[in-house]
Amino acid sequence: EAQVTQNPRYLITVTGKKLTVTCSQNMNHEYMSWYRQDPGLGLRQIYYSMNVEVTDKGDVPEGYKVSRKEKRNFPLILESPSPNQTSLYFCASSPTSLAGTDTQYFGPGTRLTVL
Amino acid sequence: GDSVTQMEGPVTLSEEAFLTINCTYTATGYPSLFWYVQYPGEGLQLLLKATKADDKGSNKGFEATYRKETTSFHLEKGSVQVSDSAVYFCALIPISSGSARQLTFGSGTQLTVLP
Repeated sequence: EAQVTQNPRYLITVTGKKLTVTCSQNMNHEYMSWYRQDPGLGLRQIYYSMNVEVTDKGDVPEGYKVSRKEKRNFPLILESPSPNQTSLYFCASSPTSLAGTDTQYFGPGTRLTVL
Repeated sequence: GDSVTQMEGPVTLSEEAFLTINCTYTATGYPSLFWYVQYPGEGLQLLLKATKADDKGSNKGFEATYRKETTSFHLEKGSVQVSDSAVYFCALIPISSGSARQLTFGSGTQLTVLP
Protein backbone atom coordinates (compact mmCIF):
# COMPACT_ATOMS: atom_id res chain seq x y z
CA GLU A 1 0.00 0.00 0.00
CA ALA A 2 1.32 3.43 -0.99
CA GLN A 3 1.70 5.50 2.13
CA VAL A 4 3.55 8.05 4.20
CA THR A 5 4.28 6.93 7.75
CA GLN A 6 5.26 9.03 10.73
CA ASN A 7 6.54 8.07 14.16
CA PRO A 8 5.70 8.65 16.87
CA ARG A 9 2.03 9.57 16.49
CA TYR A 10 1.92 11.21 19.90
CA LEU A 11 4.75 12.64 21.97
CA ILE A 12 4.90 14.59 25.20
CA THR A 13 8.30 15.98 26.09
CA VAL A 14 9.95 18.72 28.12
CA THR A 15 11.65 21.91 27.08
CA GLY A 16 15.17 21.40 25.77
CA LYS A 17 15.11 17.63 25.28
CA LYS A 18 16.14 16.84 21.72
CA LEU A 19 13.71 14.79 19.71
CA THR A 20 13.29 13.39 16.21
CA VAL A 21 10.07 12.69 14.34
CA THR A 22 10.57 10.21 11.55
CA CYS A 23 8.85 10.26 8.17
CA SER A 24 9.06 7.56 5.54
CA GLN A 25 7.36 7.09 2.16
CA ASN A 26 7.25 4.01 -0.07
CA MET A 27 6.24 5.71 -3.32
CA ASN A 28 9.75 6.63 -4.54
CA HIS A 29 8.81 10.31 -4.42
CA GLU A 30 11.53 12.89 -4.88
CA TYR A 31 9.78 15.69 -3.02
CA MET A 32 9.10 15.63 0.73
CA SER A 33 7.95 18.32 3.10
CA TRP A 34 7.08 19.04 6.71
CA TYR A 35 4.11 21.14 7.82
CA ARG A 36 2.77 22.17 11.19
CA GLN A 37 -0.93 22.65 11.85
CA ASP A 38 -2.12 25.13 14.44
CA PRO A 39 -5.72 26.15 15.23
CA GLY A 40 -6.94 28.96 13.02
CA LEU A 41 -3.74 29.01 10.97
CA GLY A 42 -4.17 26.02 8.68
CA LEU A 43 -0.93 24.26 7.78
CA ARG A 44 2.40 26.03 7.37
CA GLN A 45 5.48 24.61 5.69
CA ILE A 46 8.56 24.10 7.86
CA TYR A 47 11.13 22.55 5.48
CA TYR A 48 11.08 20.74 2.19
CA SER A 49 13.39 18.57 0.14
CA MET A 50 13.52 18.20 -3.61
CA ASN A 51 15.72 15.10 -3.48
CA VAL A 52 18.47 13.35 -1.54
CA GLU A 53 20.82 15.85 0.12
CA VAL A 54 18.72 18.79 -1.14
CA THR A 55 16.73 20.63 1.55
CA ASP A 56 15.41 24.16 1.95
CA LYS A 57 13.46 26.32 4.37
CA GLY A 58 9.72 26.84 4.25
CA ASP A 59 7.78 29.56 6.00
CA VAL A 60 8.47 28.62 9.63
CA PRO A 61 11.88 26.86 9.86
CA GLU A 62 13.13 28.40 13.14
CA GLY A 63 13.88 25.77 15.78
CA TYR A 64 13.82 22.83 13.35
CA LYS A 65 16.34 20.84 11.36
CA VAL A 66 15.89 18.20 8.68
CA SER A 67 18.05 15.79 6.75
CA ARG A 68 17.56 13.76 3.58
CA LYS A 69 20.18 11.05 3.42
CA GLU A 70 17.89 8.53 1.73
CA LYS A 71 15.09 9.11 -0.73
CA ARG A 72 12.42 7.48 1.40
CA ASN A 73 13.19 9.16 4.76
CA PHE A 74 12.90 12.77 5.86
CA PRO A 75 13.24 13.15 9.65
CA LEU A 76 12.33 16.34 11.49
CA ILE A 77 14.69 17.24 14.32
CA LEU A 78 13.98 19.56 17.22
CA GLU A 79 17.34 20.19 18.88
CA SER A 80 15.92 22.12 21.84
CA PRO A 81 12.13 22.02 21.81
CA SER A 82 10.17 24.87 23.31
CA PRO A 83 6.47 25.14 24.26
CA ASN A 84 5.69 27.19 21.12
CA GLN A 85 6.54 24.10 19.08
CA THR A 86 3.57 22.29 20.56
CA SER A 87 1.60 21.47 17.43
CA LEU A 88 0.35 18.81 15.04
CA TYR A 89 3.01 17.93 12.47
CA PHE A 90 2.47 16.43 9.05
CA CYS A 91 4.94 14.99 6.60
CA ALA A 92 4.04 14.98 2.92
CA SER A 93 5.55 13.64 -0.29
CA SER A 94 4.92 13.93 -3.98
CA PRO A 95 6.52 13.10 -7.29
CA THR A 96 8.07 16.04 -9.08
CA SER A 97 7.14 17.53 -12.37
CA LEU A 98 7.85 20.76 -14.13
CA ALA A 99 4.34 21.95 -13.34
CA GLY A 100 4.83 21.45 -9.62
CA THR A 101 1.16 20.72 -9.12
CA ASP A 102 1.40 17.04 -8.30
CA THR A 103 -0.76 15.72 -5.50
CA GLN A 104 0.97 15.74 -2.15
CA TYR A 105 0.38 12.67 0.02
CA PHE A 106 0.22 13.28 3.75
CA GLY A 107 1.19 11.15 6.69
CA PRO A 108 -1.21 10.59 9.63
CA GLY A 109 0.33 13.34 11.76
CA THR A 110 2.36 13.58 14.95
CA ARG A 111 0.87 15.42 17.88
CA LEU A 112 3.70 16.97 19.88
CA THR A 113 3.34 18.59 23.28
CA VAL A 114 6.31 20.41 24.79
CA LEU A 115 5.96 21.16 28.50
CA GLY B 1 1.76 37.46 -0.41
CA ASP B 2 -0.39 34.59 -1.52
CA SER B 3 -3.27 33.64 0.74
CA VAL B 4 -6.43 31.59 0.99
CA THR B 5 -9.57 32.60 2.83
CA GLN B 6 -12.30 30.09 3.52
CA MET B 7 -15.57 30.38 5.36
CA GLU B 8 -15.53 30.16 9.09
CA GLY B 9 -16.82 27.01 10.68
CA PRO B 10 -18.08 24.96 12.16
CA VAL B 11 -20.78 24.02 9.70
CA THR B 12 -23.52 21.64 10.81
CA LEU B 13 -25.92 20.11 8.30
CA SER B 14 -28.51 17.39 8.22
CA GLU B 15 -27.95 14.36 6.02
CA GLU B 16 -28.88 14.95 2.36
CA ALA B 17 -28.56 18.72 2.69
CA PHE B 18 -26.69 20.81 0.11
CA LEU B 19 -23.18 21.88 1.04
CA THR B 20 -21.22 24.94 0.03
CA ILE B 21 -17.91 25.91 1.58
CA ASN B 22 -16.62 29.19 0.22
CA CYS B 23 -12.99 29.69 -0.68
CA THR B 24 -11.33 32.75 -2.20
CA TYR B 25 -7.68 33.31 -2.88
CA THR B 26 -5.12 36.04 -3.47
CA ALA B 27 -2.21 35.11 -5.68
CA THR B 28 -0.11 36.34 -8.56
CA GLY B 29 -0.92 34.79 -11.90
CA TYR B 30 -2.73 31.47 -12.06
CA PRO B 31 -2.12 29.24 -9.08
CA SER B 32 -3.22 25.64 -8.89
CA LEU B 33 -6.11 25.14 -6.48
CA PHE B 34 -6.89 22.21 -4.20
CA TRP B 35 -9.37 20.95 -1.66
CA TYR B 36 -7.99 18.61 0.97
CA VAL B 37 -10.08 16.72 3.54
CA GLN B 38 -8.99 15.63 7.00
CA TYR B 39 -11.05 12.92 8.66
CA PRO B 40 -10.84 12.61 12.45
CA GLY B 41 -7.46 11.33 13.57
CA GLU B 42 -6.07 11.11 10.05
CA GLY B 43 -3.80 13.07 7.76
CA LEU B 44 -4.96 15.19 4.86
CA GLN B 45 -6.17 13.59 1.66
CA LEU B 46 -6.56 15.30 -1.66
CA LEU B 47 -10.25 15.64 -2.47
CA LEU B 48 -10.02 17.46 -5.80
CA LYS B 49 -7.93 19.97 -7.69
CA ALA B 50 -7.96 22.34 -10.64
CA THR B 51 -4.91 23.72 -12.37
CA LYS B 52 -6.33 26.36 -14.71
CA ALA B 53 -9.19 28.80 -15.00
CA ASP B 54 -12.67 27.31 -15.61
CA ASP B 55 -11.45 23.81 -14.73
CA LYS B 56 -13.86 21.83 -12.58
CA GLY B 57 -12.46 19.35 -10.10
CA SER B 58 -14.74 16.59 -8.87
CA ASN B 59 -14.53 13.55 -6.64
CA LYS B 60 -16.90 11.56 -4.38
CA GLY B 61 -19.81 13.83 -5.31
CA PHE B 62 -17.89 17.01 -4.43
CA GLU B 63 -17.22 19.67 -7.05
CA ALA B 64 -15.34 22.96 -7.26
CA THR B 65 -14.81 25.27 -10.23
CA TYR B 66 -11.76 27.48 -10.68
CA ARG B 67 -13.20 30.98 -11.14
CA LYS B 68 -10.51 33.42 -12.16
CA GLU B 69 -12.85 36.42 -12.37
CA THR B 70 -13.94 36.05 -8.77
CA THR B 71 -10.71 34.37 -7.53
CA SER B 72 -12.81 31.63 -5.98
CA PHE B 73 -12.86 27.85 -5.69
CA HIS B 74 -16.01 27.06 -3.73
CA LEU B 75 -16.63 23.45 -2.69
CA GLU B 76 -20.12 22.02 -3.26
CA LYS B 77 -21.93 18.75 -2.77
CA GLY B 78 -25.55 18.13 -3.57
CA SER B 79 -26.37 15.69 -0.77
CA VAL B 80 -24.04 15.24 2.18
CA GLN B 81 -23.71 12.07 4.22
CA VAL B 82 -22.69 11.49 7.82
CA SER B 83 -19.42 10.05 6.50
CA ASP B 84 -18.56 13.47 5.01
CA SER B 85 -18.02 14.88 8.50
CA ALA B 86 -14.44 16.16 8.45
CA VAL B 87 -12.32 19.28 8.23
CA TYR B 88 -11.99 20.71 4.71
CA PHE B 89 -9.01 22.79 3.63
CA CYS B 90 -8.78 24.96 0.57
CA ALA B 91 -5.21 25.40 -0.65
CA LEU B 92 -3.13 26.71 -3.53
CA ILE B 93 0.32 26.30 -5.00
CA PRO B 94 1.36 29.68 -6.36
CA ILE B 95 3.14 30.09 -9.66
CA SER B 96 6.02 31.63 -7.74
CA SER B 97 6.39 28.57 -5.52
CA GLY B 98 8.91 27.06 -7.93
CA SER B 99 10.70 24.08 -6.42
CA ALA B 100 9.10 24.71 -3.01
CA ARG B 101 5.75 23.41 -4.25
CA GLN B 102 4.53 25.07 -1.13
CA LEU B 103 0.87 24.53 -0.42
CA THR B 104 -0.70 27.64 1.08
CA PHE B 105 -3.69 26.55 3.15
CA GLY B 106 -6.82 28.22 4.38
CA SER B 107 -7.64 27.82 8.06
CA GLY B 108 -9.99 24.89 7.50
CA THR B 109 -13.75 24.42 7.87
CA GLN B 110 -15.14 21.82 10.22
CA LEU B 111 -18.19 20.06 8.76
CA THR B 112 -20.52 17.95 10.89
CA VAL B 113 -23.36 16.05 9.24
CA LEU B 114 -26.14 14.84 11.49
CA PRO B 115 -28.28 11.75 10.69
